[in-house]
Amino acid sequence: QLVLTQSPSASASLGASVKLTCTLSSGHSTYAIAWHQQHPEKGPRYLMKLNSDGSHPKGDGIPDRFLGSSSGAERYLTISSLQSEDEADYYCQTWATGFWVFGGGTKLTVL
Amino acid sequence: QVQLVESGGGLVKPGGSLRLSCAASGFTFSDFYMSWIRQAPGKGLEWLSYISSSGGTIYYADSMKGRFTISRDNAKNSLYLQMNSLRAEDTAVYYCASFMGDLYYWGQGTLVTVSS
Repeated sequence: QLVLTQSPSASASLGASVKLTCTLSSGHSTYAIAWHQQHPEKGPRYLMKLNSDGSHPKGDGIPDRFLGSSSGAERYLTISSLQSEDEADYYCQTWATGFWVFGGGTKLTVL
Repeated sequence: QVQLVESGGGLVKPGGSLRLSCAASGFTFSDFYMSWIRQAPGKGLEWLSYISSSGGTIYYADSMKGRFTISRDNAKNSLYLQMNSLRAEDTAVYYCASFMGDLYYWGQGTLVTVSS
């Protein structure tokens, strides 16, 4: 069964870096994912597609501070030079023929 | 620029129906797959359904089959979600999204509240 696992919360200081993790379920380590950002009371925003080889084409206007990387079944989103506006929920998502699945989301707090 | 604008949400009684719409602009609508995703209050994102660019291929989440129907009108650059037999647990913000390859766009959502 295709499942994405995310830690519920993360925190980091203003100006620092943070690495968020999304883990694909067993047997699905080659799947690409997408990362989305959602501020409170707002619609999600597409950040990037992250392939198993680490390539990560980004959405419109996404700053260079947002980087994706992959290792095995792990998919990472690294945000550097954290700004207050980076405080948001971050969701990973993947897909197979006939269905999509979202991770439970990580709430990022910028201290 | 790309815009997806959902409409049609509101307050409906249990057992009632609603039809959501998503108006697209700023991109070639007929090239993109389209999807509906919802988010219950305080919860995460839940995929509901997607439809291919031509409308010829449609998939639903298992929990939606039989109650929800997705459709599109490429001449009107619009996506629809017909929701029947609504339940309290269908209360959520409903988002439409468009995707093609590495391109992916979200709307701002429309709130559906199911309550007596």
